[in-house]
Amino acid sequence: KAGVTQTPRYLIKTRGQQVTLSCSPISGHRSVSWYQQTPGQGLQFLFEYFSETQRNKGNFPGRFSGRQFSNSRSEMNVSTLELGDSALYLCASSSPDSDSGNTIYFGEGSWLTVV
Amino acid sequence: GNSVTQMEGPVTLSEEAFLTINCTYTATGYPSLFWYVQYPGEGLQLLLKATKADDKGSNKGFEATYRKETTSFHLEKGSVQVSDSAVYFCALRNQAGTALIFGKGTTLSVSS
Repeated sequence: KAGVTQTPRYLIKTRGQQVTLSCSPISGHRSVSWYQQTPGQGLQFLFEYFSETQRNKGNFPGRFSGRQFSNSRSEMNVSTLELGDSALYLCASSSPDSDSGNTIYFGEGSWLTVV
Repeated sequence: GNSVTQMEGPVTLSEEAFLTINCTYTATGYPSLFWYVQYPGEGLQLLLKATKADDKGSNKGFEATYRKETTSFHLEKGSVQVSDSAVYFCALRNQAGTALIFGKGTTLSVSS
């Protein structure tokens, strides 16, 4: 079974631009969540989607948004990029319907550098 | 609120040494507990988990026991290898639909 797939793996953007990151969850998983990882702040929760609805949201500004499609694939968007948005963005999926419904599986991440 | 505290690293060991990385938590209810590992340049891999008190999670020689009385979930391995060099994260989750709460991570460096 394929794992969580994220694209692109690496990207460089300029301040003020916007970026869209994509995530395909493990087959059968309907919950997708996003995390930001930086050296200073560690791993921070951005948001979670389940059946195309945002179910939970972390403490990030409105420039960070996301969505989930009917096939459970998800995208996150960051608008008006700032230098501090440079980070590893991790997508994760889980399946509440399984015995391990509380277990979250992560992708390889998308490395974003803002210059 | 919910939180996870890990021992600060880096932890530097020789090959075949015994490893302990301490993790304690604060949470409401009965959270599930996890250890994730991150190798250089990669995402997070689930190492092991425990979903209720006294459960022991184990994988690849690593073990951790869910201790509710001490609110701890310490990671142990009897004999580390160079390939175990990575960053280890302790995390908790209260229930499906809530976020994982992570510790700050502990860097392990194993030399031959």
